[in-house]
Amino acid sequence: NAGVTQTPKFQVLKTGQSMTLQCAQDMNHNSMYWYRQDPGMGLRLIYYSASEGTTDKGEVPNGYNVSRLNKREFSLRLESAAPSQTSVYFCASREAGGVDTQYFGPGTRLTVL
Amino acid sequence: GIQVEQSPPDLILQEGANSTLRCNFSDSVNNLQWFHQNPWGQLINLFYIPSGTKQNGRLSATTVATERYSLLYISSSQTTDSGVYFCAARGGGSQGNLIFGKGTKLSVKP
Repeated sequence: NAGVTQTPKFQVLKTGQSMTLQCAQDMNHNSMYWYRQDPGMGLRLIYYSASEGTTDKGEVPNGYNVSRLNKREFSLRLESAAPSQTSVYFCASREAGGVDTQYFGPGTRLTVL
Repeated sequence: GIQVEQSPPDLILQEGANSTLRCNFSDSVNNLQWFHQNPWGQLINLFYIPSGTKQNGRLSATTVATERYSLLYISSSQTTDSGVYFCAARGGGSQGNLIFGKGTKLSVKP
């Protein structure tokens, strides 16, 4: 049981390049989330997926797209990276029900030059 | 939406000391979690505690939902407790995402 996994762990991009961050969970959770964390800040929601086949915008969606490929996988795509997207990206999945807990992946540290 | 405020923003302790971290939230919550972000950036679940009191070893947490605050207690602190402690809350009717406070940065000195 690996929990929530993310790839890659680190990435450096040039302005205008594109890339996809991958996230997978093996806990059979319905809901998955993408957050970003900027220095000195808590996490802010980019996009979420309440169930397979559905996605919705969060607080800071501009410049990102997502795909809920299946129940396990939720990817985040930067189509044309900008320096303002330099951040640490966390994926999470949520165990709903009696213990409504979110579990986080290890994060991807992205630098856009 | 819900606002989450944490205090103090920074805390320096000598090893062995006790501490209390506070989290205030602006509305009723369905979920409140405490996390520890270690120096390597990993977010570690500490407590799921929308109300009541829980203890796990040297750590304990109390949430008083009617007064809209939660406290995290760290006793006999160790250098490995260093890092940033986040409180995060989810309100009713939301899409399930957590709203994070800005964290308390804890440094425990040997």
